[in-house]
Amino acid sequence: DAGITQSPRHKVTETGTPVTLRCHQTENHRYMYWYRQDPGHGLRLIHYSYGVKDTDKGEVSDGYSVSRSKTEDFLLTLESATSSQTSVYFCAISVETGNYGYTFGSGTRLTVV
Amino acid sequence: AQKVTQAQTEISVVEKEDVTLDCVYETRDTTYYLFWYKQPPSGELVFLIRRNSFDEQNEISGRYSWNFQKSTSSFNFTITASQVVDSAVYFCALSEAYNNNDMRFGAGTRLTVKP
Repeated sequence: DAGITQSPRHKVTETGTPVTLRCHQTENHRYMYWYRQDPGHGLRLIHYSYGVKDTDKGEVSDGYSVSRSKTEDFLLTLESATSSQTSVYFCAISVETGNYGYTFGSGTRLTVV
Repeated sequence: AQKVTQAQTEISVVEKEDVTLDCVYETRDTTYYLFWYKQPPSGELVFLIRRNSFDEQNEISGRYSWNFQKSTSSFNFTITASQVVDSAVYFCALSEAYNNNDMRFGAGTRLTVKP
C-alpha cells in the first residue's frame, strides 16, 4: 500500500486562528490533493498539486491555501478558521492524475469552535 | 462541470440480501473515468474499481459487480449476498480526461447490513 500519512488526526481550534494540516507521502507521486468531506456533499476538492511549487485551486478553495516545497509534503492552511470549515479533511495521492484513481490518507477531523 | 448523483442516501438490508447502489453521472467529455470507493466505519477511503468510458463491459469481483451503461449515464454497484462487513458509505466518482485533477464525488450512500 502507498505510504501516505496525515497529521494531526484530530484538531480543535478557535475561530479566527490559522491552522495547518500536513500530508506526507513516501511514494514519490507527483499528484497530491486535498479534499473535505461533509454530510450531503461527499468529497469536494480544495486544492491540488502537480509538482513541487505547482498548485491549483479546486471547487471549494476559498479560505484555504496550500504549499508544496518538497515532493513528499503537501500542506493545507486555513488562513483564519471559521466554523464552516469544521470538516474531515482527506489528502490523496495519485500516480498520474485523477484518471488513475487516488490513494487516500486516513483523514484529519477538524473542529472550529 | 461534471456531476455525480447518488440518489440513495441510506439503504438498510438484512444479511444475505442483494443490494444495488445507484450512481448517475453527467459529463460533456467523451473520455472519462468512473470510480467506486468504500468508506467503512473506521473512516478510511478504499478504492474499489476504476472504469473508463470506452469499456462498457460489466465487472465482477467476488460478491461485487458493477454495471456501466452509457445510454443511461449510470454506473451501478451490486453486492450479492451482503455481509455485515459490507456496512459502509460508498462513493461513486467521476474524472474527466481533460479536467483530470478535479475528480467529482457523489454524496455517498450509507449501506447498513443487519445480521
